[in-house]
Amino acid sequence: QQPVQSPQAVILREGEDAVINCSSSKALYSVHWYRQKHGEAPVFLMILLKGGEQKGHEKISASFNEKKQQSSLYLTASQLSYSGTYFCGTRNYGNKLVFGAGTILRVKS
Amino acid sequence: DTAVSQTPKYLVTQMGNDKSIKCEQNLGHDTMYWYKQDSKKFLKIMFSYNNKELIINETVPNRFSPKSPDKAHLNLHINSLELGDSAVYFCASSQAGGGMNTGELFFGEGSRLTVL
Repeated sequence: QQPVQSPQAVILREGEDAVINCSSSKALYSVHWYRQKHGEAPVFLMILLKGGEQKGHEKISASFNEKKQQSSLYLTASQLSYSGTYFCGTRNYGNKLVFGAGTILRVKS
Repeated sequence: DTAVSQTPKYLVTQMGNDKSIKCEQNLGHDTMYWYKQDSKKFLKIMFSYNNKELIINETVPNRFSPKSPDKAHLNLHINSLELGDSAVYFCASSQAGGGMNTGELFFGEGSRLTVL
């Protein structure tokens, strides 16, 4: 079952903040976040495991609400380099990592 | 050294032909995957192998046949290519741990297949 991401796209000016949401209809064991720049492969940002933790990676952090089966990615003080498509990937109790449809983020100067 | 490498990077071919894509990882990972990314950027899992054993086989036409000769290699052969097969095919690998695969995916650069 594919997780649902929102919004589909967001345009920011440098220095602004954004939140990308990911929700699943199934119980989750872990949530992954990846960023893909145009013409490149997806690159891992972070993984959140069952337990409702929050993680940080420079000015990018994420939370995982296991009960609501939701995760959010927080981008603060966005930079031009943050532009790309962000994918959440979810695993329930198995090996399959299923990706959402992606959120296109564009940061303008 | 490239961690996950795929060849070829570009494939242009006619409908009805057969083609193969090769993937190799030097990370020592146990699990390898094939994902298809279509023109709408949707990343769809196709297959996964763990130590040469097929563990995920999604609803994919049987014209697609994966093969894993060893845990460092995963190839994808496609028979009788159709227009709808045009996409970017990504190979990825990850490391299982603690009985549950929580590992991050390392992706290859992708192989762009265009079927004319």
